[in-house]
Amino acid sequence: GQNIDQPTEMTATEGAIVQINCTYQTSGFNGLFWYQQHAGEAPTFLSYNVLDGLEEKGRFSSFLSRSKGYSYLLLKELQMKDSASYLCAVMDSNYQLIWGAGTKLIIKP
Amino acid sequence: DTAVSQTPKYLVTQMGNDKSIKCEQNLGHDTMYWYKQDSKKFLKIMFSYNNKELIINETVPNRFSPKSPDKAHLNLHINSLELGDSAVYFCASSQVPSGGYNEQFFGPGTRLTVL
Repeated sequence: GQNIDQPTEMTATEGAIVQINCTYQTSGFNGLFWYQQHAGEAPTFLSYNVLDGLEEKGRFSSFLSRSKGYSYLLLKELQMKDSASYLCAVMDSNYQLIWGAGTKLIIKP
Repeated sequence: DTAVSQTPKYLVTQMGNDKSIKCEQNLGHDTMYWYKQDSKKFLKIMFSYNNKELIINETVPNRFSPKSPDKAHLNLHINSLELGDSAVYFCASSQVPSGGYNEQFFGPGTRLTVL
């Protein structure tokens, strides 16, 4: 079966760095997405990786290793507004998005 | 300018009723989706439409029926509502149905509560 694993919840301190991991087992691979979802709101796109390596976008970076079925989202200089759920999703060989359950990130002052 | 809009935002109804949720996108995208997000926060794909053709249909009950009058609209009709249908339903759209970069844009969600 297809599976996306991420930690359920993480806690970090304002101004610090946090890494959210995602491992996947899917039928084929056509890219990995990270989305941010604030409570009561819709998911919004953060990043897309299809080749191995690190993609940097401001305070957020996303890394992919296809051979290991592994990705992480790195958030730097954490702000209170970064408190949200972070969803990992993989596009399989049928171009369907398979979603993880999300990681709830709690930022403390 | 709203990219993907849904109505209503909140829907409270009794078991056994029939209800519809509307979705519209003004992005000119070819594909639209319906997702269900339950209390455990799993996003589950229900349907997608590409140019008015159903291309994904997960094993959802046939009480759920998507209706697409045109490329910009994908409505969700639910018959004989059950308690387990309570969830947040998200509409989304994307430019291409397959291949390469395929960012999906989500609507604000419809919180359905069945009493």
